[in-house]
Amino acid sequence: DGGITQSPKYLFRKEGQNVTLSCEQNLNHDAMYWYRQDPGQGLRLIYYSQIVNDFQKGDIAEGYSVSREKKESFPLTVTSAQKNPTAFYLCASSIDRQSGYTFGSGTRLTVV
Amino acid sequence: GESVGLHLPTLSVQEGDNSIINCAYSNSASDYFIWYKQESGKGPQFIIDIRSNMDKRQGQRVTVLLNKTVKHLSLQIAATQPGDSAVYFCAETPAGGKLIFGQGTELSVKP
Repeated sequence: DGGITQSPKYLFRKEGQNVTLSCEQNLNHDAMYWYRQDPGQGLRLIYYSQIVNDFQKGDIAEGYSVSREKKESFPLTVTSAQKNPTAFYLCASSIDRQSGYTFGSGTRLTVV
Repeated sequence: GESVGLHLPTLSVQEGDNSIINCAYSNSASDYFIWYKQESGKGPQFIIDIRSNMDKRQGQRVTVLLNKTVKHLSLQIAATQPGDSAVYFCAETPAGGKLIFGQGTELSVKP
């Protein structure tokens, strides 16, 4: 079945560490996105990519980095520069910007 | 900047009743709208969409209404069931832009 997979489901990070969240899709979608969701809040865009080897900052990119070396993969690194990283992270993909997004099941990141 | 907002942050309905979730959008150039359902601890799931050349679209037990005059979007759920309990997000796409999500409305269905 086609879909979008995020891993791990739960992730714990120590202060000062970088961690990478995985996002893989086999939907042959060109566009991929990373969102952050805080409790009781909506989705805020971190980074997005419309095509391989290209990506743009979203609304809250500071403290995050991404890469898009393959169409299927769009990993997100939460760096030590992100001062409040505890949140639920959602990855999504779409055929293009004018189409609906398919979301992964999310990664819950907690700083310990 | 442009924003999508919801009139009601929480909605409680009796099982079997119809539910109406509202959304206001501010970008008159938006031409594509989507409703998503998010259950606790999961990613949002697509429910139904509508393009700006339509004012109503129906799915299975769900209907989306678009009023471009007042920039209002609503999601109607018929015969609400306990499994419908979730947070519902509306989203809009300004022409050529990315989806902009609203804050969400939490729907609680009482048995």
